[in-house]
Amino acid sequence: DTEVTQTPKHLVMGMTNKKSLKCEQHMGHRAMYWYKQKAKKPPELMFVYSYEKLSINESVPSRFSPECPNSSLLNLHLHALQPEDSALYLCASSQPGGDEQFFGPGTRLTVL
Amino acid sequence: SQQGEEDPQALSIQEGENATMNCSYKTSINNLQWYRQNSGRGLVHLILIRSNEREKHSGRLRVTLDTSKKSSSLLITASRAADTASYFCATGDSGGGADGLTFGKGTHLIIQP
Repeated sequence: DTEVTQTPKHLVMGMTNKKSLKCEQHMGHRAMYWYKQKAKKPPELMFVYSYEKLSINESVPSRFSPECPNSSLLNLHLHALQPEDSALYLCASSQPGGDEQFFGPGTRLTVL
Repeated sequence: SQQGEEDPQALSIQEGENATMNCSYKTSINNLQWYRQNSGRGLVHLILIRSNEREKHSGRLRVTLDTSKKSSSLLITASRAADTASYFCATGDSGGGADGLTFGKGTHLIIQP
């Protein structure tokens, strides 16, 4: 299985809602990533988990809260988001020290 | 922060022609990768070139790397309609750990049938 899955595909939420994005991989990768991509822009790194521990946080606002419950699963908890947080959220995985990252299809988030 | 600058930002060519995209980066690298993204979906890894390599081929793809100029190019030969996508170069600091990728601004390639 060489696939990274993300759910939901689309999410619309209000600024007071709490929601979560989910990412799963079964390739045995021990590094997982969250990226944010605005329209017509490149992906920007948000968080890196290595061996289920948060290793990089690119100064992301605390309204985004990542969680890595096990080596296959990565969540991104969302709370009190702003309309400017509307974007495509991409999850990726790789072997730590490996170079190629495998991306999921993304969750298209709209904050009203 | 964005590492790379790609040019052109958009490229439209006829099917069967070759497409060349360029990428420049700022810091020293261990490797440079190219990814493709179709219509705002997930990215697909195309090819990786290491800092001690100058050229690499994979099918219809040819990548060059000039570390003295901090630049790379991606050539797609005999283009097809299915090659229509956005192409990004990306660099990582991976020296054994897990580091995120820093992407260039991307080139949007349109192949006209």
